[in-house]
Amino acid sequence: QTVVTQEPSLTVSPGGTVTLTCASSTGAVTSGYNPNWFQQKPGQAPRALIYNTNNRHSWTPARFSGSLLGGKAALTLSGAQPEDEAEYYCLVYYDAAYIFGTGTKVTVL
Amino acid sequence: QVTLRESGPALVSPTQTLTLTCTFSGFSLTTTGMCVNWIRQPPGKALEWLARIDWDDAKFYSTSLKTRLTISRDTSKNQVVLNMTNMDPVDTATYFCARTNYRFYFDYWSQGALVTVSS
Repeated sequence: QTVVTQEPSLTVSPGGTVTLTCASSTGAVTSGYNPNWFQQKPGQAPRALIYNTNNRHSWTPARFSGSLLGGKAALTLSGAQPEDEAEYYCLVYYDAAYIFGTGTKVTVL
Repeated sequence: QVTLRESGPALVSPTQTLTLTCTFSGFSLTTTGMCVNWIRQPPGKALEWLARIDWDDAKFYSTSLKTRLTISRDTSKNQVVLNMTNMDPVDTATYFCARTNYRFYFDYWSQGALVTVSS
């Protein structure tokens, strides 16, 4: 069973930069895994941020960017805002199925 | 404007079958590239993908749950239905439906419905 692992928690200062990563137990994450990233605040549904590695949705602030970094998918938040405090999930497409990551709790402090 | 809304029982008994309906608007599931997924999230835990149905009626399931899941659609009603058999307390979760484009591009999600499995 494929496991997708994220950092459990990260802290960023207001205005600062933080990078979240998404690693697969099967090996390097590539663009062929079509990584997506989601933001979820308490009591809310997830909100899509990034698709196909590095594409923002029309509603995604420009301070969020996606990439591949050292064999992992990555989400970088540049210029963190208090409203960015949330849980972030990656998702990869593997073997005709989707696998969500374990989630990263981002604190803006 | 794309919207999705799930409906179904808030409480099911162990061993029962859960039936959830996702009613959507703003797109057609017969349009090439459109797909609808079911995803769940146990309280305090991570998201888990369950199933997907595509514009061409192709169906895909989570490997770990495929023997218990059936996904279907009613294109005339803009609905996707998920059946999950033999419910257990560990299936207590918030269940979401979400759209994907061409299988890879998640965009719109429903608000989620909590389903509790208890006798």
